[in-house]
Amino acid sequence: SQELEQSPQSLIVQEGKNLTINCTSSKTLYGLYWYKQKYGEGLIFLMMLQKGGEEKSHEKITAKLDEKKQQSSLHITASQPSHAGIYLCGADIRNNQGGKLIFGQGTELSVKP
Amino acid sequence: EAQVTQNPRYLITVTGKKLTVTCSQNMNHEYMSWYRQDPGLGLRQIYYSMNVEVTDKGDVPEGYKVSRKEKRNFPLILESPSPNQTSLYFCASSYTGFYGYTFGSGTRLTVV
Repeated sequence: SQELEQSPQSLIVQEGKNLTINCTSSKTLYGLYWYKQKYGEGLIFLMMLQKGGEEKSHEKITAKLDEKKQQSSLHITASQPSHAGIYLCGADIRNNQGGKLIFGQGTELSVKP
Repeated sequence: EAQVTQNPRYLITVTGKKLTVTCSQNMNHEYMSWYRQDPGLGLRQIYYSMNVEVTDKGDVPEGYKVSRKEKRNFPLILESPSPNQTSLYFCASSYTGFYGYTFGSGTRLTVV
């Protein structure tokens, strides 16, 4: 089983709608990263969260890490076709051992005009 | 431009023929990693390096070798490739390992 579970695995939304992607672990997350990937291409770093309760925003994307540091959510407001792609959460679940990141399976987002 | 450069982008090879995928970063990053991405399995870490001459196994190291003789380079070596190593490979680097990784564009490897 995956140490990081993402849901949903795929999502189709109408342009302009809001959406949320979740990333859950049974272990404490020491550093939670969100990346976006265009099909077959490299990963683009979106945001990193470290502290329980932390929330960050960039343009129309907001990411949160819960107080227990076991769940993160990525929220997109007023989605656009440019938001389409695969969203991946990554995390270091072993404190003070930077370099060993694990990833969720990814969420494939399609935005219909 | 700050970047991670992987070569080649695409490679088709035959079973058993040794190959090397190169990775180079120009950001003076200490940490570098190799991942493979497969449908339904997501990204899995193969090997990582915390500095020159310091490497460690990730979750799927079997069949792969790495070396870190210089800070900027972290090649991935397949001594005897097999068809189950057909995958999309990514190299990534980070200043400390805790502040986000920069990923290369990927190498799509097919072993026939």
